[in-house]
Amino acid sequence: AQSVTQLGSHVSVSEGALVLLRCNYSSSVPPYLFWYVQYPNQGLQLLLKYTTGATLVKGINGFEAEFKKSETSFHLTKPSAHMSDAAEYFCAVSESTGTASKLTFGTGTRLQVTL
Amino acid sequence: NAGVMQNPRHLVRRRGQEARLRCSPMKGHSHVYWYRQLPEEGLKFMVYLQKENIIDESGMPKERFSAEFPKEGPSILRIQQVVRGDSAAYFCASSPSRDREAFFGQGTRLTVV
Repeated sequence: AQSVTQLGSHVSVSEGALVLLRCNYSSSVPPYLFWYVQYPNQGLQLLLKYTTGATLVKGINGFEAEFKKSETSFHLTKPSAHMSDAAEYFCAVSESTGTASKLTFGTGTRLQVTL
Repeated sequence: NAGVMQNPRHLVRRRGQEARLRCSPMKGHSHVYWYRQLPEEGLKFMVYLQKENIIDESGMPKERFSAEFPKEGPSILRIQQVVRGDSAAYFCASSPSRDREAFFGQGTRLTVV
């Protein structure tokens, strides 16, 4: 069975500061890993994904994440936060041998960006 | 190419009524997934359908919930005799194939009063 743990349900950073959102997963097979962003009353938008190949993945809006198998982590980072980054972020995993879109989600991290 | 369309966006039902949630996948997508998001929680997988077939319903409650994806028309998530605990946001996602990631709709927010 798969699971995802997102440490910190709320993260607050100053505009221009580094954003670091943590995600650890467990999976019995090589995973596909995803980060989604959800703005208030909106659906989920895919930020980035890891399937195979390069472990550092670049996504939209300046975000990137690194797959570290030894640490079972897939933390999301952005060098400089912008006010428009304020949203809820979800890490998700699926089994590479299964269905890419049958996802197990973490409970989410709400990012607040302050002036 | 329109995205995944869900309607209605907001639905209010009294306890005991039926709720029908519709999802039109993106053009060319024949795989549909339904997820439920309870307040302050992440999304939970409910069911995976491919045209006219239920592939995986391991996340569906055993009673009152059903889903279909007919040959023509949208996918429907049906909740009979709704209770307060069914209040949640229900998201539909679609993908072109089993091994491709899905695109999400904006969700239907169901409130049971």
